[in-house]
Amino acid sequence: NAGVTQTPKFRILKIGQSMTLQCAQDMNHNYMYWYRQDPGMGLKLIYYSVGAGITDKGEVPNGYNVSRSTTEDFPLRLELAAPSQTSVYFCASSYSAGGLSGQYFGPGTRLTVL
Amino acid sequence: GQQLNQSPQSMFIQEGEDVSMNCTSSSIFNTWLWYKQDPGEGPVLLIALYKAGELTSNGRLTAQFGITRKDSFLNISASIPSDVGIYFCAAMNYGGSQGNLIFGKGTKLSVKP
Repeated sequence: NAGVTQTPKFRILKIGQSMTLQCAQDMNHNYMYWYRQDPGMGLKLIYYSVGAGITDKGEVPNGYNVSRSTTEDFPLRLELAAPSQTSVYFCASSYSAGGLSGQYFGPGTRLTVL
Repeated sequence: GQQLNQSPQSMFIQEGEDVSMNCTSSSIFNTWLWYKQDPGEGPVLLIALYKAGELTSNGRLTAQFGITRKDSFLNISASIPSDVGIYFCAAMNYGGSQGNLIFGKGTKLSVKP
């Protein structure tokens, strides 16, 4: 099993550009999550999904969009990149709701918006 | 909103020493989790706690779910260089339609050989 994979690992965007962060898992988990991690801070939940076709906002959803057309994939879309979106983005998945039995994290995407 | 206060923010210890860190909240939770994040990687689950008062070990790591359900503690015995990283506590209330993890800001551990 590859677990949770994320691409790209690094990306530099100009203000106003858009991009999609890819996330895939091969553990057949229904629950998937997107977090952002700012320096010295914990993880903030952006969006989550409880299954294909179902997504919901987390704590910090503004400026982002998600879709979940398959169990495996959960891409995160930034439409108009802003410097405040400079962060490390982590995708995670879990077998149980909310990560009750623990969430499995990908290696992260480091995004810089200039 | 709900917050987890994790302390200390950072620790510098000598190899072989024991480490203690804790996580507190003004809210009650029914699940506490501890994660470790190595540099450049995603967090990895260390220990999960589901019952107030529960004490659980994973090798040299021991974590406790506080009796008030508002706190949790993580201890590392006989630290080694590979213990270096950021340790996060996380908590949630399961049940109902949804529940999601809330994370503390982390404790950065540095170990001097």
